[in-house]
Amino acid sequence: SAVISQKPSRDICQRGTSLTIQCQVDSQVTMMFWYRQQPGQSLTLIATANQGSEATYESGFVIDKFPISRPNLTFSTLTVSNMSPEDSSIYLCSVALRDYNEQFFGPGTRLTVL
Amino acid sequence: DAKTTQPNSMESNEEEPVHLPCNHSTISGTDYIHWYRQLPSQGPEYVIHGLTSNVNNRMASLAIAEDRKSSTLILHRATLRDAAVYYCIPGAYGQNFVFGPGTRLSVLP
Repeated sequence: SAVISQKPSRDICQRGTSLTIQCQVDSQVTMMFWYRQQPGQSLTLIATANQGSEATYESGFVIDKFPISRPNLTFSTLTVSNMSPEDSSIYLCSVALRDYNEQFFGPGTRLTVL
Repeated sequence: DAKTTQPNSMESNEEEPVHLPCNHSTISGTDYIHWYRQLPSQGPEYVIHGLTSNVNNRMASLAIAEDRKSSTLILHRATLRDAAVYYCIPGAYGQNFVFGPGTRLSVLP
């Protein structure tokens, strides 16, 4: 299994600012994923972040808005740029170890944009 | 992506079995059927997955219809801790997960 931590756990931000969310894993993993969960909704994949390559974004998400870094096999960051109230969501990272079918999720970062 | 249909919500009494259904009539032959659950204020957690045969693990059992167009997650004895949103996610190995709205399970003491 994998233990995932995220920082911050929650934040309240002003519109127009940016927030960087950190995801730390207790083991080396190749595949990491970033999801968004809007209030009362299900999870939506933002991007896949593999170490050593550019992140792959899903339809509706762009690098300028959600830049991702993946400097090593245990760490990744997601930045939410130029925030608006519509960005208020829970942001979660997840990883896949040896079996892609079994993913492990972090506790999430609850973001509120005023 | 295979489309899924799950009940919006279900209720169960504590210590009774729970059968959570999922229809995935457009599933392809190489799609696994994954089940994840999300406890309140937590990230999702893996429950079980299968391809064709029924599967058991310490958390649950997965019964897959012979035509694979539906499956049922079985919690043998529901506890209060099993109250969560349960997601059925068909997908090929290596394919990104697409989460639907899931089934919100309430467990009554």
